[in-house]
Amino acid sequence: DAGVIQSPRHEVTEMGQEVTLRCKPISGHDYLFWYRQTMMRGLELLIYFNNNVPIDDSGMPEDRFSAKMPNASFSTLKIQPSEPRDSAVYFCASSLRGILYEQYFGPGTRLTVT
Amino acid sequence: AQSVTQLDSHVSVSEGTPVLLRCNYSSSYSPSLFWYVQHPNKGLQLLLKYTSAATLVKGINGFEAEFKKSETSFHLTKPSAHMSDAAEYFCVVSDYKTSGTYKYIFGTGTRLKVLA
Repeated sequence: DAGVIQSPRHEVTEMGQEVTLRCKPISGHDYLFWYRQTMMRGLELLIYFNNNVPIDDSGMPEDRFSAKMPNASFSTLKIQPSEPRDSAVYFCASSLRGILYEQYFGPGTRLTVT
Repeated sequence: AQSVTQLDSHVSVSEGTPVLLRCNYSSSYSPSLFWYVQHPNKGLQLLLKYTSAATLVKGINGFEAEFKKSETSFHLTKPSAHMSDAAEYFCVVSDYKTSGTYKYIFGTGTRLKVLA
């Protein structure tokens, strides 16, 4: 298996633009997680899905952030409009059995908003 | 609320010497605990996990951790450090929320440096 795939790996955009990050989980994994990593706040869980349904989105920072999972093999995290403080590395992870079990992380998307 | 504290932000060891990365947690119930490693510009990789089975947990690459309930600790150890162990290590505790959901609580990370 190729593991969790994220695209793009790097994204540089200007403030106010829409940004879409993409994730393909490991086939057969029913859980998908979006995380954000910054120096100031460390790793934060933004949202997670089970069988394509959002279960807990309490970590989503504000309405500018939205996430979807239209099918079992694809998820997006969208920021509209983007702001410089959104600059971070965004990780997607998937899990076979749930949040109490091991998660497999993608390589991350490094987002820079200027 | 559950929390996790990694006591050292940076640890330096010489190659071939033991590694000790410290982690303390607080939890009002029986937690699941994990150690993940992150190499530069990479995603996180699971090293080992504790989920209420044996208290001494063996992981990949020669790492192990011992769950000590009385000390609320889950320290990560390795008998002999290798240059390839240089990375950032995260201790993670599962957090049960009153809403009935769970989430990971990540420690702030310990950056391990291995000296030749």
